[in-house]
Amino acid sequence: QKEVEQDPGPLSVPEGAIVSLNCTYSNSAFQYFMWYRQYSRKGPELLMYTYSSGNKEDGRFTAQVDKSSKYISLFIRDSQPSDSATYLCATGFFSGSARQLTFGSGTQLTVLP
Amino acid sequence: DTGVSQDPRHKITKRGQNVTFRCDPISEHNRLYWYRQTLGQGPEFLTYFQNEAQLEKSRLLSDRFSAERPKGSFSTLEIQRTEQGDSAMYLCASSDGPGQSTDTQYFGPGTRLTVL
Repeated sequence: QKEVEQDPGPLSVPEGAIVSLNCTYSNSAFQYFMWYRQYSRKGPELLMYTYSSGNKEDGRFTAQVDKSSKYISLFIRDSQPSDSATYLCATGFFSGSARQLTFGSGTQLTVLP
Repeated sequence: DTGVSQDPRHKITKRGQNVTFRCDPISEHNRLYWYRQTLGQGPEFLTYFQNEAQLEKSRLLSDRFSAERPKGSFSTLEIQRTEQGDSAMYLCASSDGPGQSTDTQYFGPGTRLTVL
């Protein structure tokens, strides 16, 4: 079992829809949680990070973490065609020697105009 | 701030050849990471440096792989005797390290390796 499991998609929605992207993780020791966006053949671009349970908003994006159920979500409001990309969730530690991120496999999103 | 840069962006090589990739991190970032990403998968950690010290290596980093960061600035990743299974996107990331609560990693554009 992978440490971070992500809904594989692909996901196709009409412009303006609310998008929900989801991940679960198995290691309760993970301390922070990130969402990256990756356009085709490009490097991942950081969207949001959070380290506590609850919601964090940034414009049209909301990251939600539930540590008790080990569940991570990203919501995109008023989705736009420019949001079409692969979305990667990632978890990590900010203490100790293991600093690498553990990624989900990504969800490919297409927003149709 | 010019971001993380990687060179080359694409590399095609024949099986058995050696290849070397370069990563230039964001200026003054003291942590540098290498990841590998295959099609349809998320990035997988290979190794990371704090300044010039290589602090951790994944079991994915076989003996054919070696990484260096000689002066704590740019880094190189070398693959010897390449195999077709090495075909992937090699991503570099950097972060500003100790004292930062999230150690946020910023990624470069990647080097896409194709082994024929």
